[in-house]
Amino acid sequence: DTGVSQNPRHKITKRGQNVTFRCDPISEHNRLYWYRQTLGQGPEFLTYFQNEAQLEKSRLLSDRFSAERPKGSFSTLEIQRTEQGDSAMYLCASSTGQQETQYFGPGTRLLVL
Amino acid sequence: DAKTTQPPSMDCAEGRAANLPCNHSTISGNEYVYWYRQIHSQGPQYIIHGLKNNETNEMASLIITEDRKSSTLILPHATLRDTAVYYCIVRVGMYSGGSNYKLTFGKGTLLTVNP
Repeated sequence: DTGVSQNPRHKITKRGQNVTFRCDPISEHNRLYWYRQTLGQGPEFLTYFQNEAQLEKSRLLSDRFSAERPKGSFSTLEIQRTEQGDSAMYLCASSTGQQETQYFGPGTRLLVL
Repeated sequence: DAKTTQPPSMDCAEGRAANLPCNHSTISGNEYVYWYRQIHSQGPQYIIHGLKNNETNEMASLIITEDRKSSTLILPHATLRDTAVYYCIVRVGMYSGGSNYKLTFGKGTLLTVNP
């Protein structure tokens, strides 16, 4: 399957620890997105890359969050000094072309104790 | 992006057609209607999208009213595996930079397919 992949699928951490998630987009998709989803809500946009350039960050993305996409392929999302409110599903999506249909990965579920 | 309104939940019998409505009365002329679904604990799955004509693919049909203020997603023969939250999203469909790229999800409709 050549869909979007995310690792790890689940992460449990203690408050104050740093965590990093990885997203591998569909091959040759030049746009990559991160979303966050809390229980009972729809996904919310966090940030967006076109190739290696991070073009927009949501106000949801505090300074404890950082995302990178070196070489315009995979992306990482790091959360420093995690808080219990960071517990959520972190979703990655990728797209290409004019039609801009975004395809999502399975998500990384984070639990901060 | 225009806002959408969907019923919070719907039930459907297995094997019957599921018709999921969506209101988007403030849709702009260049905004498409997209449908995604999310099965429990999985990432959203793209279903279909359209501008003004009705669309059909292997998963579903999308019926858009002539005034484009509402649409209906039709799953012709619902199965238990179609139980999911269905999201209707309106967004500029053609990438042109700026802030039109992100998807704005509401709470969607929880469709429960019953045996």
